Amino acid sequence: QKEVEQNSGPLSVPEGAIASLNCTYSDRGSQSFFWYRQYSGKSPELIMFIYSNGDKEDGRFTAQLNKASQYVSLLIRDSQPSDSATYLCAVLSSNQFYFGTGTSLTVIP
Amino acid sequence: SAVISQKPSRDICQRGTSLTIQCQVDSQVTMMFWYRQQPGQSLTLIATANQGSEATYESGFVIDKFPISRPNLTFSTLTVSNMSPEDSSIYLCSVPGGRTEAFFGQGTRLTVV
Repeated sequence: QKEVEQNSGPLSVPEGAIASLNCTYSDRGSQSFFWYRQYSGKSPELIMFIYSNGDKEDGRFTAQLNKASQYVSLLIRDSQPSDSATYLCAVLSSNQFYFGTGTSLTVIP
Repeated sequence: SAVISQKPSRDICQRGTSLTIQCQVDSQVTMMFWYRQQPGQSLTLIATANQGSEATYESGFVIDKFPISRPNLTFSTLTVSNMSPEDSSIYLCSVPGGRTEAFFGQGTRLTVV
């Protein structure tokens, strides 16, 4: 059974702070790792993807991957109210996506 | 990137009836995926739709309840049959974007009354 675990939250941070979202996965053979943002009533949209151990930065977003610990995280710097959404961690394994349950983030103005 | 047109965007249906959801992709893709997202939950894969062969269903989902068609490489339908209130959910089609991501349709919000 391939599992992707996330803390469901809700996570609340003040505007301008760093939001830290965490995810663990069970399949060591997983190849690629993704963070999707989903606004209420909308489809998921890709924020970041990462393949290799270490950090990957894109604007205010940084994805961190540690394959040895089977752990992937997303940091959002200078959080904005518009970042308030559910963030889904997804893992690509054997050509199939497995999604976590999502973490609800609220950025308080 | 792929653009997926999914319809209907929402529907309210009577229990016992069936609803067919359509997904049209702007490019040819080998696999299309159908997900269900129940309120407050993440995405659960229903089945993988393969062109030219029967769909592959995940544990807990059966063809009689969720028949799928895949007549060509750009189109697929998912039917939710003999609906009950427990089928109220968002249904999403998705296509892979290589290693980089999965592209999603706009979703169909289904309410069964």
